[in-house]
Amino acid sequence: DAGVIQSPRHEVTEMGQEVTLRCKPISGHNSLFWYRQTMMRGLELLIYFNNNVPIDDSGMPEDRFSAKMPNASFSTLKIQPSEPRDSAVYFCASSPTSDLRGQYFGPGTRLTVT
Amino acid sequence: DQQVKQNSPSLSVQEGRISILNCDYTNSMFDYFLWYKKYPAEGPTFLISISSIKDKNEDGRFTVFLNKSAKHLSLHIVPSQPGDSAVYFCAAFSSGSARQLTFGSGTQLTVLP
Repeated sequence: DAGVIQSPRHEVTEMGQEVTLRCKPISGHNSLFWYRQTMMRGLELLIYFNNNVPIDDSGMPEDRFSAKMPNASFSTLKIQPSEPRDSAVYFCASSPTSDLRGQYFGPGTRLTVT
Repeated sequence: DQQVKQNSPSLSVQEGRISILNCDYTNSMFDYFLWYKKYPAEGPTFLISISSIKDKNEDGRFTVFLNKSAKHLSLHIVPSQPGDSAVYFCAAFSSGSARQLTFGSGTQLTVLP
């Protein structure tokens, strides 16, 4: 199994540009999570889906952030417009159940907004 | 307000000695706790967990202790090995109506050969 796949691994963009991060969960997993890691705040849960339906998006920082899961094998996290304070590592994780505890993390996307 | 705190951003330990990583939480609704390990350029991986009905769980060199009255848990690694050098995240889970999984900010452990 390839594990959770994220792309790109690194993204550098200018302030104001749109950024799209992509995630392919482990096949058969029905829950998907997006996290942001920063030095100041550690790992923060942004949003999670169960069976492609958003369950909790209370961690999404503001309207500039949006996430979709059009099917069981693909999800995107979009930031528009991006700002320097969005610079962080964004992790996607998936789980075979709706239990938040059994998560497998992807390698992350390091985003730098200049 | 951070509900899960890891107050030590870094820890250095000599190979063969014990590493003790600490974690404090504020929400009494948390009933399950996990430790994750993260190497550079990789995602966190699950290490060990403990339910709030227990005060200790052991898995090989790794032991997690839970002190519910103090809202404190710790991860002990004995003996420490250079391959244990990583960032360790503590996480707390609430299985109640407001299900949540909250992570601490992490502690960088460096095991010196």
